[in-house]
Formats: sequence, C-alpha cells, structure tokens
Amino acid sequence: KNQVEQSPQSLIILEGKNCTLQCNYTVSPFSNLRWYKQDTGRGPVSLTIMTFSENTKSNGRYTATLDADTKQSSLHITASQLSDSASYICVVSAGSARQLTFGSGTQLTVLP
Amino acid sequence: DGGITQSPKYLFRKEGQNVTLSCEQNLNHDAMYWYRQDPGQGLRLIYYSQIVNDFQKGDIAEGYSVSREKKESFPLTVTSAQKNPTAFYLCASSPYSGSVSSEQFFGPGTRLTVL
Repeated sequence: KNQVEQSPQSLIILEGKNCTLQCNYTVSPFSNLRWYKQDTGRGPVSLTIMTFSENTKSNGRYTATLDADTKQSSLHITASQLSDSASYICVVSAGSARQLTFGSGTQLTVLP
Repeated sequence: DGGITQSPKYLFRKEGQNVTLSCEQNLNHDAMYWYRQDPGQGLRLIYYSQIVNDFQKGDIAEGYSVSREKKESFPLTVTSAQKNPTAFYLCASSPYSGSVSSEQFFGPGTRLTVL
C-alpha cells in the first residue's frame, strides 16, 4: 500500500529561525514529489515539485531535497516569517495526476 | 486559488438531507477532482473526471455522486447515504490527468457540517 509519512506532526518556532520538515514515502512506482502549503481554511498551494533525478530545488526561502534511494524528502524553511504558519503537505505521485498519495501534513506555527 | 471557485464556503446540513457543493474553474483544465480532508489525515480522493461527461470513482466514493456536463463545472452531491459527511471538501483541477507532472490546482474548499 502506498503511504506518505510526515514528521513532525506539529512544530512551533520563533520568527526568523530555520526549520526542516520531513517526508518518508513508500510509493511505487515513483513519479514525482510535491510540497504544498495550506493556510487554515484554504486550499493547498504548490511550493515545489521534484522528479526522480532531482536532489534539491529551491523556491525563495523554501528548499526541498529528495533522496530517491532512501525514499525521503525534506522541506527546509529559512528565516521563517509569521506568514509561514500553515500546514505543509507532502504529496507523492505514482504515475499520473490521478494516482496521488497525500501525507497528513506538518502544522507549522511561527511565533513573534 | 488559481481560478477555481467553490461555493459555499460553509455549509450546514441536517441528517438525511442531500447537499450539492459547487466547483467551477476558468483555467480550461481537462481534469477535475474532489477530495475530502479530515483532521490528522491526508486528502482522500472521492471522484475525478478526465473529460466532459465522464467521471471515475476514487478511493471513498460511497455516499457521493458527481456530474460533468460542462468542462468548467464539477459539482459534488453528498447524499444521505454518506455516514460521516462532516469534513472539509476540496476541489482541484489539472491540465491533463495523464501527464505525470501535471500539477493540481486547488480551490478554497467548502466546510460541510452535519447537524
């Protein structure tokens, strides 16, 4: 069964600090991995997409890494801002946009 | 929210009633999807449609129905047969479901509460 596990479940940090969120998956066959940001009561918005051959991809203060051998990904947020407070969801595709497995998300809270 | 609108934002329903959630997109996307989101769980696929007048069941289709009469519209009906309908419902669309890199764009969601 395809699964995506995210850790930690929740995280509280102070504004300006860095943090790293983890995603482990057992999805086969692997096609790509996306990180989404979901604000409370809103729909998810894509941050990055990574394919099998990519190790690192950045989007502003967000940097995603992928280790296809160990089936792990991380999302690093640099110099956090209050607006970074949201749920971050890892989504792995098994071959088509229909075959997506969603993680349950990491709830990040950034405090002033 | 990428040209996808969902209405209403909040919906209250009495037990035994059917209710329809609206989803409209102006992105000219071929594929549309309905997901359900519950606390502490990942999104789960209810139904999806790749082209007009065609749709397929997802992982948790029981108690739900959909239609795709127009490319831009994909309404979801939550029937009285759905045992636990209280949840956050998300609609999404993508340019073409057959592309492995096709990103799904999500609407703002509808929170359904059964009283």
